[in-house]
Amino acid sequence: EVQLLESGGGLVQPGGSLRLSCAASGFTFSSYAMSWVRQAPGKGLEWVSAVSGSTGNTYYADSVRGRFTISSDNSKNRLYLQMNSLRAEDTAVYYCAKEDYSSSPYFDYWGQGTLVTVSS
Amino acid sequence: SYELTQPPSVSVSPGQTATITCSGDALSKQYAHWYQQKPGQAPVLVIYKDSERPSGIPERISGSSSGTIVTLTISGVQAEDEADYYCQSEDYSGTYRRVFGGGTKLTVL
Repeated sequence: EVQLLESGGGLVQPGGSLRLSCAASGFTFSSYAMSWVRQAPGKGLEWVSAVSGSTGNTYYADSVRGRFTISSDNSKNRLYLQMNSLRAEDTAVYYCAKEDYSSSPYFDYWGQGTLVTVSS
Repeated sequence: SYELTQPPSVSVSPGQTATITCSGDALSKQYAHWYQQKPGQAPVLVIYKDSERPSGIPERISGSSSGTIVTLTISGVQAEDEADYYCQSEDYSGTYRRVFGGGTKLTVL
């Protein structure tokens, strides 16, 4: 059974930093791309960042490029998101999602999310 | 930037058929996928590659595609289908960016 469990969310002041973690199990972690997707309160889903399982290449939404860094540790089956220079608009539930690719990328499994609140 | 457009809301009575559309310039060349999200829960994949259904998703949930519009259809709507539905595709400019539609709130009257 695939399981994704996020941790590391909390309250942080504007300009501060936070590191999210996602523990994965039930599949060969290194074989799949993984993404972070966020959802601001009362708003829709926004893709944030992804890391390729095969190449380790990383990708970012324009809204976070240069401030957030995605990484993965295949030996620990963990995904991370280092968030720096946080802004109020980064307040959201952050989901870890496993990506499948069969002619087109989609998210077949999601974690339950961790809430990040940026406020003074 | 690439955008996917959905109606903000759709309302249907129990037992009726709900249709939710998603439009995007590149959808005639790229697949779309659909997610269901209930309040306080994580999204769940309900349709992938326009019309494929993951295991465990009821047959009354289906997807189709025509030109630049993809459609999610829920037949015999039940109270449990009340949720937000999001379409998702890939930015066609080769940037790897994954794009979501704005979401549609399905209300069962």
